[in-house]
Amino acid sequence: DQQVKQNSPSLSVQEGRISILNCDYTNSMFDYFLWYKKYPAEGPTFLISISSIKDKNEDGRFTVFLNKSAKHLSLHIVPSQPGDSAVYFCAARGDQAGTYKYIFGTGTRLKVLA
Amino acid sequence: DVKVTQSSRYLVKRTGEKVFLECVQDMDHENMFWYRQDPGLGLRLIYFSYDVKMKEKGDIPEGYSVSREKKERFSLILESASTNQTSMYLCASRPLGNQPQHFGDGTRLSIL
Repeated sequence: DQQVKQNSPSLSVQEGRISILNCDYTNSMFDYFLWYKKYPAEGPTFLISISSIKDKNEDGRFTVFLNKSAKHLSLHIVPSQPGDSAVYFCAARGDQAGTYKYIFGTGTRLKVLA
Repeated sequence: DVKVTQSSRYLVKRTGEKVFLECVQDMDHENMFWYRQDPGLGLRLIYFSYDVKMKEKGDIPEGYSVSREKKERFSLILESASTNQTSMYLCASRPLGNQPQHFGDGTRLSIL
């Protein structure tokens, strides 16, 4: 039972355009969400996060949007650069009190074309 | 900067062997985690620890055990390695609260 879903396994975007990566979750009790980027043969690196009390968080070229009613999270990258080509994982903090677990999606492979 | 170090980048072992994967973090984080990453399956949690000598099962603990004798070190043990445990293994650490996890560079383990 996948509680955090990334339904697009891959995405290709032209350099300079906007990349939009999507993530859906099933549990309305999730209260903290994160995006990670992963290059081959490296560990995931943290990109940006958002608390459930907000609907938007921005950091440079990266913006995360949270739509709680739709249980939907998206990451916008503007403008996209070839170095952004990587696998992107969304994650959500588990729903139980005192939980330590972050639940990850299956990832979306982004390819930015020069 | 947080540093999470995994002892090996690549490892080849034989079926039936006992395999140890080591992870060390240098930021005094309370929480440590072991994941495996497989194509199409994302990151799946094997075990985690929220304190020294404390451990909890994740989503796929079968065939694995862990040890946390010191705060900075978290070891993953494959009791009797099998070919279906061939995977990329990722260690992570995190302080208390809503904070991002920091990952090591991973160990690509092949079981022959």
